[in-house]
Amino acid sequence: QVQLQESGPGLVKPSETLSLACEISGVSISSHKWWHWVRQPPGKGLEWIGEIYHSGSTNYNPSLKSRVTISVDKSNNQFSLKLSSVTAADTAVYYCATNQAANFGFDIWGQGAVVTVSS
Amino acid sequence: QSALTQPRSVSGSPGQSGTISCTGTSSDVGGYNYVSWYQQHPGKAPKLIIYDVSKRPSGVPDRFSGSKSGNTASLTISGLQAEDEADYYCCSYAGSLYIFGTGTKVTVL
Repeated sequence: QVQLQESGPGLVKPSETLSLACEISGVSISSHKWWHWVRQPPGKGLEWIGEIYHSGSTNYNPSLKSRVTISVDKSNNQFSLKLSSVTAADTAVYYCATNQAANFGFDIWGQGAVVTVSS
Repeated sequence: QSALTQPRSVSGSPGQSGTISCTGTSSDVGGYNYVSWYQQHPGKAPKLIIYDVSKRPSGVPDRFSGSKSGNTASLTISGLQAEDEADYYCCSYAGSLYIFGTGTKVTVL
């Protein structure tokens, strides 16, 4: 079955760049699906960050677009998130997700990566 | 794009029904039949329970149902059970982006 696993530093300094990877198992990233990042600040709701197709096409949340880059690494069957110029407001659990059986619903999620922005 | 509006909380006794609303605009909920709903227990990743407004993924109990009228989508839980106590989020496709709802805490009394 399809599984996703986030990885990356749990602590990032203000003004630096947050970097996370999502390793995919059970399916090729080149399958005809979109791959997403979603985040959840402590005690708050979910926020969609953006998506990428295996071809490299991307769509981003307009509120984060100037700071976000999502990329594909086909050789390692994973995709990545970079968020620049972070502040304390970027402290959150970051999830990678995909829509496999549901075209416009996120039916597979990673377990989440806690990222704290602090000096 | 603002978050979709959900009630902060919904509660009911076991066996009762509960409905959560999700209000957006004609650019998101009203413009596409691509509303999904997620259940999230504390410390866990969200779980998809409804997609494409009213479809249930395999394994999701049929006491969960979804509908939409105009710019408002709804999730109904028929026959509340203790394990349904969780946070629920709606989400709508809005043309090259997705917008989540503000979230609703469901309490089973």
